[in-house]
Amino acid sequence: QQQVKQSPQSLIVQKGGISIINCAYENTAFDYFPWYQQFPGKGPALLIAIRPDVSEKKEGRFTISFNKSAKQFSLHIMDSQPGDSATYFCAASNRPGSNSGYALNFGKGTSLLVTP
Amino acid sequence: DAGVTQSPTHLIKTRGQHVTLRCSPISGHKSVSWYQQVLGQGPQFIFQYYEKEERGRGNFPDRFSARQFPNYSSELNVNALLLGDSALYLCASSTRQGASDEQFFGPGTRLTVL
Repeated sequence: QQQVKQSPQSLIVQKGGISIINCAYENTAFDYFPWYQQFPGKGPALLIAIRPDVSEKKEGRFTISFNKSAKQFSLHIMDSQPGDSATYFCAASNRPGSNSGYALNFGKGTSLLVTP
Repeated sequence: DAGVTQSPTHLIKTRGQHVTLRCSPISGHKSVSWYQQVLGQGPQFIFQYYEKEERGRGNFPDRFSARQFPNYSSELNVNALLLGDSALYLCASSTRQGASDEQFFGPGTRLTVL
């Protein structure tokens, strides 16, 4: 059972545009929400992460928006560049101490293509 | 500094065989996690080891096992390989146990089962 649902599956954005990827979850025990970026032939790399005590976190061109009541969070990439073309994964985890606290639960991924 | 390293890079096996995948964490990291990534899907959690003890296990059959050595490197073993085991196997290391600490992923081992 997919604990984190991600959309869209693929996304094409023009250079300079805004890329938006959305995720939803059901488990209210989740308390850590990272976004990972994966290039072909590489492992995922942490891009930005948020905890549910804040509604937004910004790092450079990347922003996470978090809506606790709706159990949704999203990644916004401002001024998208061709070098941002990659697969993006949202994920969620519990605190350590429960068995599920040791696992990152990933979405299925969004393939982003930024055209010149 | 070296990142997480995994070996081998690619591996081809036939059904019923056994495979051992290896992972060396970033220096100073005591936690190692294993994930399976099927083509077109997100990684699925298999195990986490911290200080040489299993701390978490995902929903995988007993054919999957792992261990962590005193130097914190780790092995993932898969017995009686099935076609469905074909995937990219990722290792991730972190300083602390749990998944809320930044996980640093290696490049993975691509396993093909024929």
